[in-house]
Amino acid sequence: AQSVSQHNHHVILSEAASLELGCNYSYGGTVNLFWYVQYPGQHLQLLLKYFSGDPLVKGIKGFEAEFIKSKFSFNLRKPSVQWSDTAEYFCAVSNAGNNRKLIWGLGTSLAVNP
Amino acid sequence: DGGITQSPKYLFRKEGQNVTLSCEQNLNHDAMYWYRQDPGQGLRLIYYSQIVNDFQKGDIAEGYSVSREKKESFPLTVTSAQKNPTAFYLCASSNPTTARPYEQYFGPGTRLTVT
Repeated sequence: AQSVSQHNHHVILSEAASLELGCNYSYGGTVNLFWYVQYPGQHLQLLLKYFSGDPLVKGIKGFEAEFIKSKFSFNLRKPSVQWSDTAEYFCAVSNAGNNRKLIWGLGTSLAVNP
Repeated sequence: DGGITQSPKYLFRKEGQNVTLSCEQNLNHDAMYWYRQDPGQGLRLIYYSQIVNDFQKGDIAEGYSVSREKKESFPLTVTSAQKNPTAFYLCASSNPTTARPYEQYFGPGTRLTVT
């Protein structure tokens, strides 16, 4: 069965530190890849997505992610985090079947200290 | 503004009672989903519907039921058979007919507490 693995469950950083959150998936075929973010008290929203083309995708708020097909990875990065980036981050991958489902990672809780 | 609404934001019920969570969307999306979010467990799919009058079980459907009588609405009933119903419930929708069928849009969620 397909799976998505997020390596870091809890990350604590100071402001201005660089961020990289790992995401690996198990399916070898064509995939659509997503990072969603859930700020405290807010609903889940799309941070960035990859469908095809340039494997380096840029999202909102200075985030970017790189799709490396050979490594089955889609890591999220930000060069300098802010306190407002404190949130839960979820990686998701499209299901290989024809049912339009997403396979979700368990999430990474990021706390940024001012 | 187009979006997904879930009501209520907080819901409290006694054990043994069924409870229905509302989800409405005005995005004209065909597909809708219900997830359950528990700390450290990510999002787990309860039910999904790709079209009106059709729905499929997700990974943790036991103790839940849904209906999809209208395109805009996908209510979820948490029955008394659900052994651990206290959780945060998220509704989402997507438009499978577009070039980006997997992109899901989420509502604000309903936090259900059963005592």
